[in-house]
Amino acid sequence: AQKITQTQPGMFVQEKEAVTLDCTYDTSDQSYGLFWYKQPSSGEMIFLIYQGSYDEQNATEGRYSLNFQKARKSANLVISASQLGDSAMYFCAMSPEDAGGTSYGKLTFGQGTILTVHP
Amino acid sequence: DGGITQSPKYLFRKEGQNVTLSCEQNLNHDAMYWYRQDPGQGLRLIYYSQIVNDFQKGDIAEGYSVSREKKESFPLTVTSAQKNPTAFYLCASSIKTGGVIPEAFFGQGTRLTVV
Repeated sequence: AQKITQTQPGMFVQEKEAVTLDCTYDTSDQSYGLFWYKQPSSGEMIFLIYQGSYDEQNATEGRYSLNFQKARKSANLVISASQLGDSAMYFCAMSPEDAGGTSYGKLTFGQGTILTVHP
Repeated sequence: DGGITQSPKYLFRKEGQNVTLSCEQNLNHDAMYWYRQDPGQGLRLIYYSQIVNDFQKGDIAEGYSVSREKKESFPLTVTSAQKNPTAFYLCASSIKTGGVIPEAFFGQGTRLTVV
């Protein structure tokens, strides 16, 4: 079974500053993928970043980076230089993968963190 | 344009009625998912399917049913057995092949209200 825990219901950050959104996970799978999604008030789900469990380097995608600490089972999202448009709900998610990196099975989400960016 | 189409965007249902939510994708993805989202909450998995004619229950399958007769389509029926069906429903699909990022693509969602 997989479980994703996001312990911050809400976070506030000043525009242009960096913010870290926490995510811890629990799984018995040897190989898995970790994802972060953004959900604006419109309800759409926007994919931000992916980290494979066997990737040794932390994933980066523009202003987003994933601080992956496998031993601690954490996959925190770091947003640098926050913008007003970053205000949204953010979800951490995971799915099991086989040894070849093929995803299978359940895609499980955390409860989300609401990020508010202040001008 | 490739993507996932959910319809309708808004749906109203009388108590005791079954209602079917449509989800179609033209991304040639193998896996498809249905999630339920209540206000201010996370996404809870209802059903998922990794291949045509096969699907598995998620965490909250009671009161829901699905079919996967075609790769492109994964409709969700909310039955009268679902006691509290008012929610936002999201359909997603993802590729299973290794070597590419297997992120899920989501539809725009269906907001179901019981009246």
